[in-house]
Formats: sequence, C-alpha cells, structure tokens
Amino acid sequence: TQLLEQSPQFLSIQEGENLTVYCNSSSVFSSLQWYRQEPGEGPVLLVTVVTGGEVKKLKRLTFQFGDARKDSSLHITAAQPGDTGLYLCAGQTPYNNAGNMLTFGGGTRLMVKP
Amino acid sequence: ETGVTQTPRHLVMGMTNKKSLKCEQHLGHNAMYWYKQSAKKPLELMFVYSLEERVENNSVPSRFSPECPNSSHLFLHLHTLQPEDSALYLCASSQATGGYEQYFGPGTRLTVT
Repeated sequence: TQLLEQSPQFLSIQEGENLTVYCNSSSVFSSLQWYRQEPGEGPVLLVTVVTGGEVKKLKRLTFQFGDARKDSSLHITAAQPGDTGLYLCAGQTPYNNAGNMLTFGGGTRLMVKP
Repeated sequence: ETGVTQTPRHLVMGMTNKKSLKCEQHLGHNAMYWYKQSAKKPLELMFVYSLEERVENNSVPSRFSPECPNSSHLFLHLHTLQPEDSALYLCASSQATGGYEQYFGPGTRLTVT
C-alpha cells in the first residue's frame, strides 16, 4: 500500500508570513498533484509535477517535486487570508491504461489570519 | 466551475432508506471515480470506471453500488447504510490514458441517521 504523509497537519499563521507544506512517501510516483479544498467543496487542482526535481510557480505558490519522485513541497510566500483552506497532495500511478490511481495525503489545514 | 457536477449536494437518510448520488462530467473525459472523504481519514478511492467498465473496487461494502451508464454519468446507489458511512462523497473524472489530472465535483455531504 502506498502512503503519502503530509506535514504539518494544521498551520495557523498571520497574513504576510511564509510557510512550507511537505508531502513524503517511500514510494515513487509518476506524477504528483497538489489540490486546495475549501469547506463544502471538492478539491481544486493547483498544479501537477512530473519530472524529478521539477519546480513550478503559481503566483506566490512554489511547488517542487523531489529528485527521486517520492516527495514534494509547497511553499507559500506572503500568505494571504484567501490562501486559507485544506491543501492535499496526491501521488499518481498509472493503472493499466484504465485511468490513473491517486493516493492522497492526509492534508494540511491552513488558516491565514488577517 | 470544474465541469463536474454532483447532486444532491446534501443528503440525510435513515439506515433503511435507498438513495442514489449522481455525478455528471462535461469535460469529455472517459474515466470516472468515486471517493469518500471522512473527517479523520485521507481521501479514499472507492470505485474507478474507465470507458464505462468498472476497473477497480477498493474493497467497498456491497451496500454501495456504482453504475456508469455512459462516459459522462456516474451513479452511486446506497442502501442500508450505517452511521459510519456519513461522509463527503466526491466524484472525479479524467482521461483514461495519457492524462495526469483528475477533476473533482463539489461533493455530496451524506448524513446517515
């Protein structure tokens, strides 16, 4: 069974602070996705990283895929209240040309206070 | 707007009821998924359909019965549920091959009384 561990589970910070969320596994994934989920809604895809060592930026969010494709991090610069939500990482493995299987981490619940 | 819709958004049912959850995707995908999201567990994959055929049943109790009549629609039929089945049920879709991303609907919040 593949497992993804996210840390921290909870994070409460002031507006303007920086933060990093980690996603670690002992398994190799073909790609890794980051989602943000707000209360009462489904997860919304933020980014997909595919290549080991890849770095992607989305405004104030920086995503990195580990060289061995087993881990990833999400760094937020100058956090804003609008960044509040549940951040989920998900590792993907192909499934016999019949879709792709996602293994989700437990999530990091972020609250950014004004 | 993610292109994946789910109805109803909220459902309260007794343990002896029978109900169905519906999911529809407008993204031209050909794989669809049901997930369960509980308060204290990571998102759990329940079922996968690819090209309208079930390819994965992740040890889900038989009181949950999926149906995929075509590549755009997915149902989850519920009967004789237990209170511990209360959760957010999420539907997602993707391309069956060559695609990485899954796109999620808003979910159905199910409460079993």
